[in-house]
Amino acid sequence: AQTVTQSQPEMSVQEAETVTLSCTYDTSESDYYLFWYKQPPSRQMILVIRQEAYKQQNATENRFSVNFQKAAKSFSLKISDSQLGDAAMYFCAYASGTYKYIFGTGTRLKVLA
Amino acid sequence: GAVVSQHPSWVICKSGTSVKIECRSLDFQATTMFWYRQFPKQSLMLMATSNEGSKATYEQGVEKDKFLINHASLTLSTLTVTSAHPEDSSFYICSASADNYGYTFGSGTRLTVV
Repeated sequence: AQTVTQSQPEMSVQEAETVTLSCTYDTSESDYYLFWYKQPPSRQMILVIRQEAYKQQNATENRFSVNFQKAAKSFSLKISDSQLGDAAMYFCAYASGTYKYIFGTGTRLKVLA
Repeated sequence: GAVVSQHPSWVICKSGTSVKIECRSLDFQATTMFWYRQFPKQSLMLMATSNEGSKATYEQGVEKDKFLINHASLTLSTLTVTSAHPEDSSFYICSASADNYGYTFGSGTRLTVV
């Protein structure tokens, strides 16, 4: 069975600095998708970034980028120039062909002014 | 962009009663929707896959008779919590996909059973 592990329950970053959130996963499939979702206090799940496993190039979305290491089954999220609005729970998620998401346990990101 | 509307955003019901939660895709059609449950400070746990025009597929350990799912149209799926009890109190979230990019989530429903 597939699993997603986020080993950092909580992280802090100074405003304008860079922070990296870790995620590892386990799967025997070769074709899958990985996501990072943000959940602010409103609890609305917001898609931050997505990576297709067949793509070697790391995905980027403005200040958000990933380091996808397929062989190591690692998918970390880097947030550059952190802003107060980035404070939230961040969930790493895995999905295969059925698009059934498997979520990690989440990392709470605090941004310090 | 794709919008998924979930209603109500919060509901309080008495123990033993039933409550219905709606999930609508506002600007796209969704043949498949998913229902999740999230306990405080925990991750999202998939409860079931809602398929338009057919029976829902439930994850292991989820009582299908307690959590009734109906996906009667391409834009609406409903989750009915029957004979609710305090242990059913939780945050319920639905999701749907407009394309192959990823799933859009509803804003969630906070259910409190008293």
